[in-house]
Amino acid sequence: AQSVTQPDIHITVSEGASLELRCNYSYGATPYLFWYVQSPGQGLQLLLKYFSGDTLVQGIKGFEAEFKRSQSSFNLRKPSVHWSDAAEYFCAVVLNNNDMRFGAGTRLTVKP
Amino acid sequence: DAGVIQSPRHEVTEMGQEVTLRCKPISGHNSLFWYRQTMMRGLELLIYFNNNVPIDDSGMPEDRFSAKMPNASFSTLKIQPSEPRDSAVYFCASSRAGGPDQETQYFGPGTRLLVL
Repeated sequence: AQSVTQPDIHITVSEGASLELRCNYSYGATPYLFWYVQSPGQGLQLLLKYFSGDTLVQGIKGFEAEFKRSQSSFNLRKPSVHWSDAAEYFCAVVLNNNDMRFGAGTRLTVKP
Repeated sequence: DAGVIQSPRHEVTEMGQEVTLRCKPISGHNSLFWYRQTMMRGLELLIYFNNNVPIDDSGMPEDRFSAKMPNASFSTLKIQPSEPRDSAVYFCASSRAGGPDQETQYFGPGTRLLVL
């Protein structure tokens, strides 16, 4: 079945540590790929997206993500996490005709 | 740009009442989406419009839910009658076809609905 998987429901990292959030998809073709962040009580904010070209994409707030076709992955990374990064992160794909599918989300807790 | 605007931000109502959620997409965007977010089911697409025309409403839970987009700058999602299980956060998003930003959906702040 076509799906977007975020294997980690909850991740805790110390402030200043590096972060990697995993995302895998299972579709026949390469979809458009997105990462969104949702702070408590807020809407979803676009962090970055991949359509084509360079497989390493830079986003806002110091985040980056790398598309790996061979692994059907689009993992989100940040070299040094700040306390304000605590939020829920959603990976999403768009197949065609605006059909966007979201992963279940990964909740990030940042320890002081 | 003001972004996607949703109103109200919070709504508390009693079972059986009609609820109307409103959305103003980003100016120039021609696609509009309604999502529902719950702890149990995550983010679910309810319906989306392209150029004010409903394209896919397969996610609408049942006949109690209806959505309209009378013009390019306004959409409503109505629940009548509302039930406690409709309690959720409802998000509106918009996007623009074509160009480097195509397929990128921008979300509103959401409406938190509680049906007692």
